[in-house]
Amino acid sequence: GIQVEQSPPDLILQEGANSTLRCNFSDSVNNLQWFHQNPWGQLINLFYIPSGTKQNGRLSATTVATERYSLLYISSSQTTDSGVYFCAGLTGGGNKLTFGTGTQLKVEL
Amino acid sequence: EPEVTQTPSHQVTQMGQEVILRCVPISNHLYFYWYRQILGQKVEFLVSFYNNEISEKSEIFDDQFSVERPDGSNFTLKIRSTKLEDSAMYFCASSEEGWNTDTQYFGPGTRLTVL
Repeated sequence: GIQVEQSPPDLILQEGANSTLRCNFSDSVNNLQWFHQNPWGQLINLFYIPSGTKQNGRLSATTVATERYSLLYISSSQTTDSGVYFCAGLTGGGNKLTFGTGTQLKVEL
Repeated sequence: EPEVTQTPSHQVTQMGQEVILRCVPISNHLYFYWYRQILGQKVEFLVSFYNNEISEKSEIFDDQFSVERPDGSNFTLKIRSTKLEDSAMYFCASSEEGWNTDTQYFGPGTRLTVL
């Protein structure tokens, strides 16, 4: 199956800083999603982005499908952005999302 | 905005007991999923379900697990005889269609603790 790698594994930011999280996948994907897992464990959908660029407020994402990676940009970070960010990809004919190991983000005052 | 809901939010059970985790998918969705996340690890796929039958399952989803859509709104995951290693967060998800290009929407999860 598809392999999904995320970097960096951990990230500490000062409030107001910008950051870029990366997701590499081993095969071309039909589905690529970004999630934020908050401190209560809930998975929040951020983007469905198998290709191209999308923006939602301070967050944006870009997937370059031909080069098998996706980037999540967080601008002007806030303490509420803290948590774990996961990307998940899906390839082939099935419906199984394969998750990466996540990036643990901590935003400090 | 419609969302996937799950109950209970936290379930504590004794080893060997049966548990049923419940989910209400988004109402017009046709594909349903269960994933789990052991503490500190990544989220793993368990099973997908469509048209009242399993469409795909992982090696984790052994005979101890079963899924059911008992009525038009609920989707359940049953663990027949829980083990300590079943302790995890269990997420239900749904998608509008079965295409693998479709967004999967996740519920808030049920934290299962097996003692």
